[in-house]
Amino acid sequence: GAVVSQHPSWVICKSGTSVKIECRSLDFQATTMFWYRQFPKQSLMLMATSNEGSKATYEQGVEKDKFLINHASLTLSTLTVTSAHPEDSSFYICSARDLVKADTQYFGPGTRLTVL
Amino acid sequence: SQQGEEDPQALSIQEGENATMNCSYKTSINNLQWYRQNSGRGLVHLILIRSNEREKHSGRLRVTLDTSKKSSSLLITASRAADTASYFCATDVQGAQKLVFGQGTRLTINP
Repeated sequence: GAVVSQHPSWVICKSGTSVKIECRSLDFQATTMFWYRQFPKQSLMLMATSNEGSKATYEQGVEKDKFLINHASLTLSTLTVTSAHPEDSSFYICSARDLVKADTQYFGPGTRLTVL
Repeated sequence: SQQGEEDPQALSIQEGENATMNCSYKTSINNLQWYRQNSGRGLVHLILIRSNEREKHSGRLRVTLDTSKKSSSLLITASRAADTASYFCATDVQGAQKLVFGQGTRLTINP
C-alpha cells in the first residue's frame, strides 16, 4: 500500500526555537496534504489543508503565522512550528490524499514534539 | 474542528465478546472511515464505507452507516487482546475535501 513518511519521528527542542516537520508521500502523488495535531488521550484535530503550489487553508483557531505550511511539490509538505512553546508539545500527524484515488487518504506515522 | 461524537468514550470487555462502537456526525459526507490507533502510535486504516452503502464487512469487522441519522457503528466480533486500542471514525466531508475525526473510543480487551 501507499506509504507516507514523516521526519523526524520525534524531536525535543527549547522554548522559542522553530521546528520543521517533513511529510512525504513515497510512492504516489498527493495534490492535497493535511496536518493534524493530537494531544494525549484525545482525538486528531485537523490543523490545516495544503494544496500543492498554493497557500494552506487553516482551520478555525489555528494560527497560520505560528504553524507555517509549505507544499512545494506533489510529494512533500512541511510544517514549521515557529517560536515553539511547551503548550505546542503534541503528536503531529500528516496525511496525503492520493491524486488518482481521490477518496483514499494515507497517514504518516506521526512526529512527537516536546518543547522544554 | 471535531465532526461529532463517538460513544462510548471507553469500553472494557472480556476476550471473545463482541465490541460495538458508535459514531455520529453533523454534515453531509462522501464516505466514513474507521481507524485504529495503538497508544502513542500512528493510525491504521480499518474500513471505508461510502455514503451510498449501508453495511460493509472486513474479517471480524462490520460497519454500518445510516445517513438519515448521520450515524455509523463499528462491530468487532470475537474480540482479542490485540484489539485493545483507540478507535476513531472519520468523515470525508462533502464539498470540503477533508477528513474530520470523531473523539474516539478507547477499547480494552481483558484476557
